[in-house]
Amino acid sequence: AQSVTQPDIHITVSEGASLELRCNYSYGATPYLFWYVQSPGQGLQLLLKYFSGDTLVQGIKGFEAEFKRSQSSFNLRKPSVHWSDAAEYFCAVAPGSSNTGKLIFGQGTTLQVKP
Amino acid sequence: DADVTQTPRNRITKTGKRIMLECSQTKGHDRMYWYRQDPGLGLQLIYYSFDVKDINKGEISDGYSVSRQAQAKFSLSLESAIPNQTALYFCATSDSRGYTDTQYFGPGTRLTVL
Repeated sequence: AQSVTQPDIHITVSEGASLELRCNYSYGATPYLFWYVQSPGQGLQLLLKYFSGDTLVQGIKGFEAEFKRSQSSFNLRKPSVHWSDAAEYFCAVAPGSSNTGKLIFGQGTTLQVKP
Repeated sequence: DADVTQTPRNRITKTGKRIMLECSQTKGHDRMYWYRQDPGLGLQLIYYSFDVKDINKGEISDGYSVSRQAQAKFSLSLESAIPNQTALYFCATSDSRGYTDTQYFGPGTRLTVL
């Protein structure tokens, strides 16, 4: 069965420090991959997505993610974290090219930013 | 105006009451979804609809029902609410023509069942 794992439930970083949030998936073929962010009291906002091509994808708010097929990973990175980045981050997977319309979400990683 | 709206945004109700959560979208998408979010569990799919006449159960449909009144409207009902249905509920949409499964979410409804 397809699954998505975000190994870190909580992460705390200092403002200005770099950030990497991990995401691993279990799926036989190359899936479509997504990162969403949920700010307190808000819905989920799409940060970035990977379908094919260049394995390093750029998103909004200065985030990027790299697809590594050999590691079944799609880690989210940001070079310098801002206090406003404190939120919950979700990795999600869809079976690529099959247009099933369904996403499988990881459990989420809560990011705390220290001043 | 927001592309995906949910009403109400917050609701407190009592055990045994019937509750309806509504979702509307102006994105012109054909597919709509209802999710439930509980702390530490991510998002779990309750029901999804690929068009007005196509409604499907998700992972956790027991205790819930849905109605797709129009392409733009998708309602979730709790026939007899129970306390463990206290959660944050999200509606989402996607466009099958995009072939990318990208979903766009509403702001959520926080439901408390006492």
